[in-house]
Amino acid sequence: QKEVEQDPGPLSVPEGAIVSLNCTYSNSAFQYFMWYRQYSRKGPELLMYTYSSGNKEDGRFTAQVDKSSKYISLFIRDSQPSDSATYLCAMNGNNRLAFGKGNQVVVIP
Amino acid sequence: NAGVMQNPRHLVRRRGQEARLRCSPMKGHSHVYWYRQLPEEGLKFMVYLQKENIIDESGMPKERFSAEFPKEGPSILRIQQVVRGDSAAYFCASSPKTLLRDRGPGEQYFGPGTRLTVT
Repeated sequence: QKEVEQDPGPLSVPEGAIVSLNCTYSNSAFQYFMWYRQYSRKGPELLMYTYSSGNKEDGRFTAQVDKSSKYISLFIRDSQPSDSATYLCAMNGNNRLAFGKGNQVVVIP
Repeated sequence: NAGVMQNPRHLVRRRGQEARLRCSPMKGHSHVYWYRQLPEEGLKFMVYLQKENIIDESGMPKERFSAEFPKEGPSILRIQQVVRGDSAAYFCASSPKTLLRDRGPGEQYFGPGTRLTVT
């Protein structure tokens, strides 16, 4: 079983829709949970960073963490074409980040 | 405030040559991490360094790969005798926080990457 599972299937949504992304993980020791956005041929950019279970909002972005289910989510409200990118979940594992494979999101104008 | 810098951005090497990738962390950051991203794969951890120390190299291939972070200058990831399978994007990240045993790595900020192509 992989440490972090993220269904890598591409996701196309119309502008203004809500984008919903999620990851599951197997390591109970993970304490920090992050979402990164990566544009094509660029480095990952830190979007959201959470420590405990619950919700965290930052503008149009909401991150959810459910440690009991080992499940994390990212929601993007009022999606824009500029949100088109690959979104990677990541979580800490003793000195290193363990990443999901990423979801390619395309927001269609 | 400059971000994490990596150079070169693109590197082409023939099989058997050496590849040297450089990373300058963000100002004030003393923790550096290297990750590799293969096509259709997620980012995979390679090595974690602090100034003059390798803290965790559990993700590094046992042969041909080495990393350093000297007291002065950038961190270097060195790949000797490159093979086609080494072709990938290599990312460096840096972190500002002192790592405590129970705190984990904290936030990591990534550079733009070096895309290595082995011909």
